Amino acid sequence: QQQVKQSPQSLIVQKGGISIINCAYENTAFDYFPWYQQFPGKGPALLIAIRPDVSEKKEGRFTISFNKSAKQFSLHIMDSQPGDSATYFCAASTGNQFYFGTGTSLTVIP
Amino acid sequence: NADVMQNPRHLVRRRGQEARLRCSPMKGHSHVYWYRQLPEEGLKFMVYLQKENIIDESGMPKERFSAEFPKEGPSILRIQQVVRGDSAAYFCASSQLAGWNTGELFFGEGSRLTVL
Repeated sequence: QQQVKQSPQSLIVQKGGISIINCAYENTAFDYFPWYQQFPGKGPALLIAIRPDVSEKKEGRFTISFNKSAKQFSLHIMDSQPGDSATYFCAASTGNQFYFGTGTSLTVIP
Repeated sequence: NADVMQNPRHLVRRRGQEARLRCSPMKGHSHVYWYRQLPEEGLKFMVYLQKENIIDESGMPKERFSAEFPKEGPSILRIQQVVRGDSAAYFCASSQLAGWNTGELFFGEGSRLTVL
């Protein structure tokens, strides 16, 4: 059973465009929602995270939008760059347990 | 994150052999998580350990898999009598405090197991 559903599986965006990745969850006990970025051959690294008491968090070109009532959250990458090409994982956490989405492979075309 | 050290980075085993994967968490971190990554399946939680204790092993297969995090030394994920379906990347992550408190897991670069 997938605790966190992520879409799309893959995404191709032109340089300068907006990349949007969506995630949905069911467990209302989740209280922390991070996004991880993974480059080929590397481990995932924390990109940005949000807690459910806010609806949006922005760090540079990266923004998380959080809709508590819909149990959905999304990552927006503004002005996407070729260097952003990577796999992105959303996650949801409660206590000590982290549940990850299946990942989105993002390709930014120059 | 290179500060979480995993070895070996690549491991090849024949069916029926044993695989041992090691993870040294970041300095000062006493919480270790193991995840398995298969293509198009994301990161699947396996086990969460603190020093000398298994806190949550709900994601680990009941047979052939075991994990430990001794008082001294790295955490070890052990897979006995490997089968082809065990071929995957295994990632270790560590955190300073319980995950919900710090919110951040620091991942190693993974150990890629290939079973022939």
